[in-house]
Amino acid sequence: GAGVSQSPSNKVTEKGKDVELRCDPISGHTALYWYRQSLGQGLEFLIYFQGNSAPDKSGLPSDRFSAERTGGSVSTLTIQRTQQEDSAVYLCASSLVPAGDYNEQFFGPGTRLTVL
Amino acid sequence: KQEVTQIPAALSVPEGENLVLNCSFTDSAIYNLQWFRQDPGKGLTSLLLIQSSQREQTSGRLNASLDKSSGRSTLYIAASQPGDSATYLCAVNTGGFKTIFGAGTRLFVKA
Repeated sequence: GAGVSQSPSNKVTEKGKDVELRCDPISGHTALYWYRQSLGQGLEFLIYFQGNSAPDKSGLPSDRFSAERTGGSVSTLTIQRTQQEDSAVYLCASSLVPAGDYNEQFFGPGTRLTVL
Repeated sequence: KQEVTQIPAALSVPEGENLVLNCSFTDSAIYNLQWFRQDPGKGLTSLLLIQSSQREQTSGRLNASLDKSSGRSTLYIAASQPGDSATYLCAVNTGGFKTIFGAGTRLFVKA
């Protein structure tokens, strides 16, 4: 079916506001990943969900960042009290197999967040 | 700590040229290596995935090789076209969900 989708595609917000970014993974994919790509930088891992297990939040940069995944499908990344350094492209990926040789990741188009 | 390096950072070639993009990693204990393409303002498109037990994968004009012992992978693009212009990223899976990305090579193919 369809690939990974993300919304919104662009988000401009004022410093201090909260934002929510949405990711809809490929149907049937149990693993879901959030990454951040800042201008001129590589991809930075944020958080990982696998099935109904507790997420791995080791990549979240601060406690202003949180994420949830409802029903093992759609995920929402929330950034509270946004700062200008949060400006980046937030990418979501999913994979059918969470681990091992063949956990090919498929990426969404990303959400470009600009904090003024 | 696994580190992934891509050389060159940028590359400009005339249309039709064959080219090689390089990716190196510091820890050979990997599960797989994946090559992606990223167009400006877009997400990543998976090009090839090489499992740890494999030496190469091919898709159309693309061929990716993997040498775990030396910590290297190359992406070979044959007969380059302007439509190949993009940033190419390699990513190493070190176990479970942990994937380390290189900073990418920006490729420009001139018509």
